This record gives sequence, C-alpha cells and structure tokens, in this order.
Amino acid sequence: KNEVEQSPQNLTAQEGEFITINCSYSVGISALHWLQQHPGGGIVSLFMLSSGKKKHGRLIATINIQEKHSSLHITASHPRDSAVYICAVRFILGGSQGNLIFGKGTKLSVKP
Amino acid sequence: DSGVTQTPKHLITATGQRVTLRCSPRSGDLSVYWYQQSLDQGLQFLIQYYNGEERAKGNILERFSAQQFPDLHSELNLSSLELGVSALYFCASSPGLAGGFGTQYFGPGTRLLVL
Repeated sequence: KNEVEQSPQNLTAQEGEFITINCSYSVGISALHWLQQHPGGGIVSLFMLSSGKKKHGRLIATINIQEKHSSLHITASHPRDSAVYICAVRFILGGSQGNLIFGKGTKLSVKP
Repeated sequence: DSGVTQTPKHLITATGQRVTLRCSPRSGDLSVYWYQQSLDQGLQFLIQYYNGEERAKGNILERFSAQQFPDLHSELNLSSLELGVSALYFCASSPGLAGGFGTQYFGPGTRLLVL
C-alpha cells in the first residue's frame, strides 16, 4: 500500500530553536513535496525534491531515496513559522495515477 | 497570493442538495487539480484536468463530477450531499500535466458545511 507517514504529529518549540519534521514513505517515489498550511487554511508549496537537498531562506529540505525518508528543517524558528507542514509524494507506481498522496501533517507551534 | 481563485469561500447547505465550486487557475496554467481536506482523512486528491480533458482520477465519489471549460476555469459539482462531505475543498493549478511531478499553486479553498 502506498503510504506517507509524518512525525511528529504536533511540535511545540521556543523561538530560535532548530526544528526537524520527518516524512517516510512506503515504496519508490519520483517526487516529494513539502507544503505549508497557514492557520487560515491557505496552502503554499515550499519545496519539490527528487534527490539531495534544497534550501530557501531558513528552510532546508533533504531526501534520502534509499531510506525512503525526507526531513524538513527550520533554522532559527520564529512564531510566524507556526503552521501545519504537509509532506506529499508522487509514487512511481499506483497512487492516483501519478498525482499526490499526502501525509497527515505536522502541526508546529513556535512560542515567543 | 498564488494567483488561483476559488469561489465561494464558504458554503453552508443541507443534506441532499447540490452545490458547485468554482476555480480559476493561474494565468497560463493548463492543469487544474481538486483536493478534499477533511479532519479525519487529511488532504486527498480528487481529480485532475488538463486543457479541458480529464487526466487522472483519485478518491472522487460517483456523486461528484468536475469539468474544465475552454477558458480553463474548472467547476466541481457535488450532488446528493451527505454530512460526511463537509470539508475544505482546494483547487490547485500547474503549467503542465505532470501531476505530482511539478510545483502546484493552491487556491484559498472553499469550506463546505453540510447540515
């Protein structure tokens, strides 16, 4: 079965802390996405990865294809980073005909 | 602002009714995707259209249908509504037909409440 698991489900951090959110998946993928969902509901695409590492500002996303695992890191966290972070993958086989399968999300709260 | 618009923002209706959700993609994007986000299931892919043609189908109920018009806007029609379809419905768009292999731009969503 094509599954996407995220951990932790909930995360509370103090401002300035380094944060890591994990995503693992069950079978081979051709792409992995990290999305951010704001408290108001809007969704923004942060990264799309198929290998290696990407960085944008204080956000870093890595993927290990052999271990079927990706991490999203936030350096020097800030209260405005508070959101739900969602991992989504495009499985090579099955999985909505090449469209995205989503994890349940990690709810991050950064306290001042 | 992603450039993707969705109307209405909120919709409250009764069981058994039919509603239409509308989405306008970013200028130039040919693919439109519909997603459902419920509290228990999370985000789920419903259907994709590319340049007016249905491209891929996910977990979309038979009572739901969608179409993409020549001007590339899309509508999601939900009929015989039940309580269980109360959810946030997102539309997203992308330039090509690559599905999950490309950045998608999400609209603000339509919150549907079936009473």
